[in-house]
Amino acid sequence: EDQVTQSPEALRLQEGESSSLNCSYTVSGLRGLFWYRQDPGKGPEFLFTLYSAGEEKEKERLKATLTKKESFLHITAPKPEDSATYLCAVQAGSSASKIIFGSGTRLSIRP
Amino acid sequence: NAGVTQTPKFQVLKTGQSMTLQCAQDMNHNSMYWYRQDPGMGLRLIYYSASEGTTDKGEVPNGYNVSRLNKREFSLRLESAAPSQTSVYFCASSVRQGDYGYTFGSGTRLTVV
Repeated sequence: EDQVTQSPEALRLQEGESSSLNCSYTVSGLRGLFWYRQDPGKGPEFLFTLYSAGEEKEKERLKATLTKKESFLHITAPKPEDSATYLCAVQAGSSASKIIFGSGTRLSIRP
Repeated sequence: NAGVTQTPKFQVLKTGQSMTLQCAQDMNHNSMYWYRQDPGMGLRLIYYSASEGTTDKGEVPNGYNVSRLNKREFSLRLESAAPSQTSVYFCASSVRQGDYGYTFGSGTRLTVV
């Protein structure tokens, strides 16, 4: 069964303390992996798409990387405004509509 | 601001009541989607519309119906609400199916009592 698992469920960091969020997946025929950010009471906001192992994408303090079994979202010197839930999603199989979301990592950055 | 607009933002229903969640986008996107989000379970696809005039079932379609009214609007209907449908519902759109830079609305928080 296709599955996406994110860890940890919650992470509290001090401002400036770098860390990584993990997204591991078991799917048949990965076609793409996606990262979203979700603020409380709002819809997810698209961050990155990764298509193949070894690919990396960066945006401000965030960098996403992809291997054959997992993806990492690295956060460098985070600020309080980076506090949010980060969602990982994968597209599997031949159906473009078959996207599986993880349950997210809730990130809190203390000033 | 351009984007995806959902109404209402909050709703409380009694078991057995019906209602329609409305979604409209003004980005000229072809594809639209309805998701539900439950604690600890991630977003799950209910229905989607790859283009105007087409709709298809997603992962959890039971108890729901949809209508792609035109290119801009995609509604979700609960015919006979059940407590298991208590959730946060998100509408999303994309330029085309397979384009995963989805734009999401701000959600409808639905409680069925």
